[in-house]
Amino acid sequence: DTVLTQSPALAVSLGQRVTISCKASESVSSSSYSYMHWYQQKPGQQPKLLIYHASNLESGVPARFSGSGSGTDFTLNIDPVEADDIATYFCQQSWNDPDTFGAGTKLELK
Amino acid sequence: QVQLQQSGAELAKPGSSVKISCKASGYTFTSYYISWIKQTTGQGLEYIGYINTGSGGTNYNEKFKGKATLTVDKSSSTAFMQLSSLTPDDSAVYYCARERSPFDYWGQGVMVTVSS
Repeated sequence: DTVLTQSPALAVSLGQRVTISCKASESVSSSSYSYMHWYQQKPGQQPKLLIYHASNLESGVPARFSGSGSGTDFTLNIDPVEADDIATYFCQQSWNDPDTFGAGTKLELK
Repeated sequence: QVQLQQSGAELAKPGSSVKISCKASGYTFTSYYISWIKQTTGQGLEYIGYINTGSGGTNYNEKFKGKATLTVDKSSSTAFMQLSSLTPDDSAVYYCARERSPFDYWGQGVMVTVSS
Protein backbone atom coordinates (compact mmCIF):
# COMPACT_ATOMS: atom_id res chain seq x y z
CA ASP A 1 0.00 0.00 0.00
CA THR A 2 1.08 3.60 -0.57
CA VAL A 3 2.39 5.09 2.66
CA LEU A 4 1.74 8.79 3.22
CA THR A 5 4.10 10.41 5.72
CA GLN A 6 3.10 13.54 7.63
CA SER A 7 4.75 15.34 10.53
CA PRO A 8 2.76 14.48 13.69
CA ALA A 9 2.39 18.04 14.95
CA LEU A 10 3.15 21.68 14.17
CA ALA A 11 3.13 24.60 16.59
CA VAL A 12 1.78 27.78 14.99
CA SER A 13 1.05 31.38 15.87
CA LEU A 14 -2.18 32.97 14.76
CA GLY A 15 -1.70 35.10 11.67
CA GLN A 16 1.33 33.26 10.39
CA ARG A 17 1.65 31.07 7.29
CA VAL A 18 1.89 27.35 7.90
CA THR A 19 2.91 24.57 5.54
CA ILE A 20 1.86 20.97 6.18
CA SER A 21 3.68 18.36 4.14
CA CYS A 22 2.70 14.91 2.93
CA LYS A 23 5.19 12.59 1.26
CA ALA A 24 4.02 9.51 -0.61
CA SER A 25 6.05 6.30 -0.84
CA GLU A 26 5.27 6.18 -4.59
CA SER A 27 3.87 8.55 -7.14
CA VAL A 28 0.19 9.45 -6.84
CA SER A 29 0.09 11.52 -10.03
CA SER A 30 -0.93 10.69 -13.55
CA SER A 31 0.02 12.79 -16.56
CA SER A 32 -3.13 14.84 -16.00
CA TYR A 33 -3.94 14.90 -12.29
CA SER A 34 -2.49 14.38 -8.87
CA TYR A 35 -4.72 12.16 -6.78
CA MET A 36 -3.93 13.77 -3.45
CA HIS A 37 -6.62 15.26 -1.25
CA TRP A 38 -6.60 17.09 2.08
CA TYR A 39 -9.06 16.97 4.97
CA GLN A 40 -9.48 18.87 8.22
CA GLN A 41 -10.78 17.14 11.34
CA LYS A 42 -11.70 18.76 14.64
CA PRO A 43 -12.14 16.71 17.84
CA GLY A 44 -15.40 14.79 17.89
CA GLN A 45 -16.23 15.71 14.29
CA GLN A 46 -16.01 14.00 10.95
CA PRO A 47 -13.29 14.96 8.48
CA LYS A 48 -14.04 17.79 6.08
CA LEU A 49 -12.70 17.98 2.53
CA LEU A 50 -10.52 21.05 1.95
CA ILE A 51 -8.47 20.44 -1.19
CA TYR A 52 -8.89 17.84 -3.94
CA HIS A 53 -6.55 16.77 -6.70
CA ALA A 54 -3.68 18.50 -4.94
CA SER A 55 -4.64 22.10 -5.61
CA ASN A 56 -8.40 22.50 -6.08
CA LEU A 57 -10.22 24.34 -3.31
CA GLU A 58 -13.46 22.64 -2.26
CA SER A 59 -16.51 24.85 -2.48
CA GLY A 60 -17.09 26.86 0.68
CA VAL A 61 -13.53 26.44 1.98
CA PRO A 62 -11.78 29.76 2.77
CA ALA A 63 -9.20 30.94 0.27
CA ARG A 64 -6.51 31.03 2.96
CA PHE A 65 -6.20 27.27 2.32
CA SER A 66 -4.21 26.17 -0.71
CA GLY A 67 -2.51 23.03 -1.90
CA SER A 68 0.33 22.18 -4.24
CA GLY A 69 2.60 19.37 -5.30
CA SER A 70 2.90 16.45 -7.66
CA GLY A 71 4.40 12.99 -7.80
CA THR A 72 5.34 12.15 -4.24
CA ASP A 73 5.57 15.54 -2.49
CA PHE A 74 2.56 17.61 -1.55
CA THR A 75 1.84 20.54 0.73
CA LEU A 76 -1.16 22.18 2.30
CA ASN A 77 -0.74 25.86 3.12
CA ILE A 78 -2.80 27.98 5.45
CA ASP A 79 -2.15 31.72 5.24
CA PRO A 80 -2.93 33.33 7.55
CA VAL A 81 -3.73 30.79 10.27
CA GLU A 82 -6.88 31.61 12.23
CA ALA A 83 -8.07 30.20 15.56
CA ASP A 84 -10.72 28.13 13.78
CA ASP A 85 -7.95 26.31 11.87
CA ILE A 86 -6.58 24.57 14.97
CA ALA A 87 -7.33 20.97 14.01
CA THR A 88 -5.74 17.84 12.58
CA TYR A 89 -5.06 17.68 8.85
CA PHE A 90 -4.95 14.46 6.83
CA CYS A 91 -3.74 13.81 3.33
CA GLN A 92 -5.29 10.99 1.28
CA GLN A 93 -4.28 9.44 -2.03
CA SER A 94 -6.62 7.74 -4.47
CA TRP A 95 -4.25 6.86 -7.36
CA ASN A 96 -2.90 3.57 -6.02
CA ASP A 97 -5.19 0.83 -4.75
CA PRO A 98 -6.25 0.90 -1.95
CA ASP A 99 -6.82 4.52 -1.02
CA THR A 100 -4.63 5.43 1.92
CA PHE A 101 -4.45 8.27 4.41
CA GLY A 102 -1.60 9.98 6.19
CA ALA A 103 -1.50 9.73 9.98
CA GLY A 104 -2.40 13.38 10.33
CA THR A 105 -0.68 16.61 11.35
CA LYS A 106 -2.07 18.26 14.46
CA LEU A 107 -1.83 22.03 14.51
CA GLU A 108 -1.20 23.43 17.96
CA LEU A 109 -0.92 27.02 19.16
CA LYS A 110 2.48 28.24 20.28
CA GLN B 1 -28.26 20.38 1.83
CA VAL B 2 -26.35 17.13 1.54
CA GLN B 3 -26.52 15.04 4.69
CA LEU B 4 -25.37 11.55 5.60
CA GLN B 5 -27.03 10.43 8.81
CA GLN B 6 -25.51 7.37 10.41
CA SER B 7 -27.04 5.01 12.97
CA GLY B 8 -26.15 5.02 16.64
CA ALA B 9 -23.27 3.58 18.61
CA GLU B 10 -22.95 -0.18 18.86
CA LEU B 11 -21.67 -2.38 21.65
CA ALA B 12 -21.05 -5.89 20.40
CA LYS B 13 -19.55 -9.12 21.70
CA PRO B 14 -16.55 -10.79 20.08
CA GLY B 15 -17.63 -13.14 17.30
CA SER B 16 -20.89 -11.32 16.62
CA SER B 17 -21.88 -9.01 13.75
CA VAL B 18 -23.18 -5.48 13.52
CA LYS B 19 -24.89 -3.65 10.68
CA ILE B 20 -24.63 0.11 10.57
CA SER B 21 -26.57 2.42 8.30
CA CYS B 22 -25.98 5.66 6.44
CA LYS B 23 -29.09 7.52 5.25
CA ALA B 24 -28.49 10.10 2.53
CA SER B 25 -30.55 13.19 1.85
CA GLY B 26 -30.28 16.41 -0.11
CA TYR B 27 -29.11 14.88 -3.39
CA THR B 28 -29.89 12.12 -5.87
CA PHE B 29 -28.74 9.04 -3.98
CA THR B 30 -27.97 6.87 -6.99
CA SER B 31 -25.78 9.51 -8.64
CA TYR B 32 -22.93 9.10 -6.15
CA TYR B 33 -21.04 6.19 -4.67
CA ILE B 34 -20.91 5.68 -0.91
CA SER B 35 -17.55 4.86 0.65
CA TRP B 36 -16.75 3.60 4.14
CA ILE B 37 -13.76 4.55 6.27
CA LYS B 38 -12.53 3.24 9.62
CA GLN B 39 -10.83 5.47 12.18
CA THR B 40 -8.90 4.36 15.21
CA THR B 41 -6.41 6.13 17.43
CA GLY B 42 -3.74 3.58 16.63
CA GLN B 43 -4.22 2.92 12.92
CA GLY B 44 -5.64 6.27 11.89
CA LEU B 45 -7.96 6.40 8.88
CA GLU B 46 -8.36 3.24 6.80
CA TYR B 47 -10.34 2.91 3.60
CA ILE B 48 -12.76 -0.01 3.65
CA GLY B 49 -14.38 0.20 0.24
CA TYR B 50 -17.23 1.64 -1.76
CA ILE B 51 -20.58 0.70 -3.19
CA ASN B 52 -22.08 1.88 -6.46
CA THR B 53 -25.48 2.98 -5.18
CA GLY B 54 -27.05 2.58 -8.60
CA SER B 55 -25.88 -0.91 -9.50
CA GLY B 56 -24.99 -2.27 -6.08
CA GLY B 57 -21.51 -3.12 -7.30
CA THR B 58 -18.83 -3.07 -4.63
CA ASN B 59 -15.09 -2.69 -4.30
CA TYR B 60 -13.22 -3.58 -1.12
CA ASN B 61 -9.80 -2.90 0.29
CA GLU B 62 -8.22 -6.38 0.43
CA LYS B 63 -7.73 -5.91 4.16
CA PHE B 64 -11.47 -5.73 4.74
CA LYS B 65 -12.62 -8.51 2.42
CA GLY B 66 -14.53 -11.00 4.51
CA LYS B 67 -14.86 -8.47 7.32
CA ALA B 68 -17.12 -5.83 5.76
CA THR B 69 -20.14 -6.30 3.50
CA LEU B 70 -21.60 -3.24 1.78
CA THR B 71 -25.20 -3.08 0.63
CA VAL B 72 -27.69 -0.43 -0.36
CA ASP B 73 -31.44 0.14 -0.26
CA LYS B 74 -32.28 2.58 -3.03
CA SER B 75 -35.88 2.92 -1.90
CA SER B 76 -34.78 4.55 1.35
CA SER B 77 -31.54 6.15 0.09
CA THR B 78 -29.64 4.19 2.70
CA ALA B 79 -26.31 2.41 2.56
CA PHE B 80 -25.34 -0.31 5.00
CA MET B 81 -22.14 -1.89 6.19
CA GLN B 82 -22.15 -5.19 8.02
CA LEU B 83 -19.08 -6.12 10.04
CA SER B 84 -18.77 -9.80 10.86
CA SER B 85 -16.77 -12.02 13.22
CA LEU B 86 -16.00 -9.03 15.37
CA THR B 87 -12.80 -8.82 17.42
CA PRO B 88 -11.51 -6.04 19.67
CA ASP B 89 -9.47 -4.79 16.68
CA ASP B 90 -12.75 -3.85 15.01
CA SER B 91 -13.48 -1.30 17.73
CA ALA B 92 -13.39 2.03 15.92
CA VAL B 93 -15.41 4.90 14.55
CA TYR B 94 -16.83 4.04 11.16
CA TYR B 95 -17.71 6.77 8.69
CA CYS B 96 -19.69 6.69 5.51
CA ALA B 97 -18.77 9.30 2.92
CA ARG B 98 -20.18 10.38 -0.38
CA GLU B 99 -18.35 9.52 -3.57
CA ARG B 100 -15.52 7.24 -4.57
CA SER B 101 -12.75 9.76 -3.90
CA PRO B 102 -12.26 12.45 -2.81
CA PHE B 103 -14.89 12.12 -0.13
CA ASP B 104 -16.86 15.33 -0.28
CA TYR B 105 -19.40 14.73 2.47
CA TRP B 106 -19.06 12.53 5.54
CA GLY B 107 -21.51 11.09 8.02
CA GLN B 108 -21.06 11.88 11.68
CA GLY B 109 -19.54 8.47 12.38
CA VAL B 110 -20.61 5.42 14.36
CA MET B 111 -18.59 4.19 17.30
CA VAL B 112 -18.43 0.40 17.41
CA THR B 113 -17.08 -1.13 20.60
CA VAL B 114 -16.29 -4.84 20.70
CA SER B 115 -16.06 -6.17 24.22
CA SER B 116 -17.12 -9.20 26.16
